[in-house]
Amino acid sequence: LAKTTQPISMDSYEGQEVNITCSHNNIATNDYITWYQQFPSQGPRFIIQGYKTKVTNEVASLFIPADRKSSTLSLPRVSLSDTAVYYCLVGTGGFKTIFGAGTRLFVKA
Amino acid sequence: ETGVTQSPTHLIKTRGQQVTLRCSSQSGHNTVSWYQQALGQGPQFIFQYYREEENGRGNFPPRFSGLQFPNYSSELNVNALELDDSALYLCASSLRRPGGVSDTQYFGPGTRLTVL
Repeated sequence: LAKTTQPISMDSYEGQEVNITCSHNNIATNDYITWYQQFPSQGPRFIIQGYKTKVTNEVASLFIPADRKSSTLSLPRVSLSDTAVYYCLVGTGGFKTIFGAGTRLFVKA
Repeated sequence: ETGVTQSPTHLIKTRGQQVTLRCSSQSGHNTVSWYQQALGQGPQFIFQYYREEENGRGNFPPRFSGLQFPNYSSELNVNALELDDSALYLCASSLRRPGGVSDTQYFGPGTRLTVL
């Protein structure tokens, strides 16, 4: 099972773009990369998922290089409400999913 | 389409007691996973149920058990509660497709269990 490594915390200011990078050197061929956002005392919320290259949705972009050993979640123009913990996961979906400690993003005014 | 729901929201028990937590899957999902999240840590995988059978288990003792019902709802049972069982318990549902690959997991709001 592929493990992930993320920065423990990051600070940003409102309106800035935030990039959170996750390392997953042992990612398997069938593994997808999924990012979740979690607010205190709430369940993780799905943000974005990808397999390779770039994926974009209405809230974020996910950049995955050709070797897939890392990925970068990009949050455009963050606001105070984006203050949360962000988790990067790799796997085939659900089975024995391993969450790391996540990245605590703090957005300041 | 309804999301994942969990009950109760909060629960207080004493050491040695037993507890049952409930989860209703998102419509169309056939797989349920349970996680334990201690304060300040990431969720830890407890087990997964697919078509009413346990489909994988994390590093949790047998006093953690579960059920999945024909409508894909699920229960998590914990016997002989210990103080360290105090945590947020999360349920996540997904659709497992032929071939074993599951789509994205969607999480419920969690049940906050406090053991005194």
